[in-house]
Amino acid sequence: EVQLVESGGGLVQPGGSLRLSCAASGFTFRSDEMNWVRQAPGKGLEWISYITSSGNTIYYADSVKGRFTISRDNAKNSLFLQMNSLRAEDTAVYYCARVWMGYMDVWGKGTTVTVSS
Amino acid sequence: DIQMTQSPSSLSASVGDRVTITCRASQSISTYLNWYQQKPGKAPKVLIYAAYSLQSGVPSRFSGSGSGTDFTLTISSLQPEDFATYYCQQSYSSLYTFGQGTKLEIK
Repeated sequence: EVQLVESGGGLVQPGGSLRLSCAASGFTFRSDEMNWVRQAPGKGLEWISYITSSGNTIYYADSVKGRFTISRDNAKNSLFLQMNSLRAEDTAVYYCARVWMGYMDVWGKGTTVTVSS
Repeated sequence: DIQMTQSPSSLSASVGDRVTITCRASQSISTYLNWYQQKPGKAPKVLIYAAYSLQSGVPSRFSGSGSGTDFTLTISSLQPEDFATYYCQQSYSSLYTFGQGTKLEIK
């Protein structure tokens, strides 16, 4: 079964850090581009980061640039999002998603990040 | 960055109705436009990719059209399970962006 499972969410104070993980199974992870997408409570979807299959090309949304870092370990079929200098507005459900022909065809169930004192 | 604008933001309709949702890009994106459906507490699910291609397993009552800057998602005959929020998303740029969403509610 093709599957993505996020983990690492939780409650963190403003200014703190958190590292999210996304475990892939059922497909050839090393061949696929990946995205992180988030959704604040009651709000719409926001794309935040993209990484190519090799990890050589990376993009970020302006809202997280300089604070978040996307990476991957193809040997471990895993995607990561290192989040630093967290703000209240980063509170959201974070999804990882596989990119296939420009669209996101496989999504995880999401992990919740709450930034609050 | 490419901005995506959906209309309407919300829509009330009845089972059996034909519904159209519009998405406009801030610049031409050819047919690099995808549509997703999201139900409360669930991850989004792709319905249409590349503007008009139906994702495998998606009912044929869903269809997409458009190119350049203007796109539409049409549901030909609403079913109870279609009440959800719909998002467009451009993939012309790798700085992917979504529309703000259209919430489809039961009238």
